[in-house]
Parts: sequence; C-alpha cells; structure tokens
Amino acid sequence: EPEVTQTPSHQVTQMGQEVILRCVPISNHLYFYWYRQILGQKVEFLVSFYNNEISEKSEIFDDQFSVERPDGSNFTLKIRSTKLEDSAMYFCASRTPEGADHETQYFGPGTRLLVL
Amino acid sequence: AQSVAQPEDQVNVAEGNPLTVKCTYSVSGNPYLFWYVQYPNRGLQFLLKYITGDNLVKGSYGFEAEFNKSQTSFHLKKPSALVSDSALYFCAVRDGAHSSASKIIFGSGTRLSIRP
Repeated sequence: EPEVTQTPSHQVTQMGQEVILRCVPISNHLYFYWYRQILGQKVEFLVSFYNNEISEKSEIFDDQFSVERPDGSNFTLKIRSTKLEDSAMYFCASRTPEGADHETQYFGPGTRLLVL
Repeated sequence: AQSVAQPEDQVNVAEGNPLTVKCTYSVSGNPYLFWYVQYPNRGLQFLLKYITGDNLVKGSYGFEAEFNKSQTSFHLKKPSALVSDSALYFCAVRDGAHSSASKIIFGSGTRLSIRP
C-alpha cells in the first residue's frame, strides 16, 4: 500500500541553523501539507501546497519557513534559522485530487526535530 | 472559525467492553470529519471519515463513528475493545465551504487505554 515517507526520522540541530525536512508524498497525490505537533500538544497546520504554490498558511508559517517541490517526487520544508520553540514532530501529508478518497489526507511517520 | 473539541483527555475501558471517544465540532459550512489514531512514536493513521451520506460510517480495525448534525458531534465507537486499541485518537474537521486545498483542524486528542 502506498505511503507518505519522511526523512530524516530524527534531527538534532543548533539554534540558528538551517534545517530541511524531506517528504515523498504518495505518487498520484497533488495536494501537500505540513503540520507539526509540539510534545504533548495538538497537531497544528503549517502550510498547504497545490499546483506549485502555497494555497494556505498559518500564523506559525512565518518568513523563516519555506516549502518547495524541487522535483516530481519530493516536498520539502525548510526552516532558515531554527529557534528552540521549533522543536516538534513535523508531519507531511498528501491527498489525491479525485476519486472516493480525495478528501483524506495521508500522513507520513514524522520527523522529530530537536533544537538545542 | 473551525474548531474541534475532544472533552476527554483519557478514556479507560476494560477489554471486551464497548468504547466511545467523544468529539464535537464547529464549522460554518458542511463538515468533513475524520478520525486519526497515533500509536507511540508513530505517525497519524487514518481511521475513518464522514463527508456525506449515511450518518454511520465504518472504518479500520472495527471502529465506527456516527455523525449527528443536530448535536454537532462525531463520536468514535467500537463494540468490543482490544488491548491493541490503546493509543492516542484525534478527531479532525475540514470546512467543506473552504477551498479543497484547505487544512484540517485537529482536536487535542484523547488517550484510550484498554486494560486486560
């Protein structure tokens, strides 16, 4: 069964460093999303991406964040200068544009980011 | 604004007994409702959804949920709990009146603990 995959599974970085989190969405999906979950808190929306542009972003998604689909398979989240409060589990999700399943977002296993 | 409430942080049930995990929602348009499950150190796994049609929807692992428009609820149920059902359960909603690229909003999660 197709799955969303994410790399790395864990990343530790120093405050102020740049990080890139990578996701490979399910192959026929065209809507892509990033969410995050700070330890012990709810899952929060960051950004949605469709047709090579951002569709919607939350207040969390400030100028330090960017997303990119550099090729036909990867979808990345970049944090330019990490802060301590960026420590969280980051989830990528994708969705197909059509068919009976088109409203379901499928999530990857997550990348646990720790900023020191 | 969209919102989801899961009033119980924790639900404890004996194995073999029925279980219910509560969820209420608020959206301005038609609700698209979802349940996801998160096992320890794992990603979010889709269980079931309500988009339209029959108010009782069936999903993975014997779970079902009932959409109640008048009570704005979408409670998750299972007739006979298993120890392996122990996990963190998230209710989520998308406002059908919004763009199809739109985010889903998650509840705060309910930890389900099934004792042998």
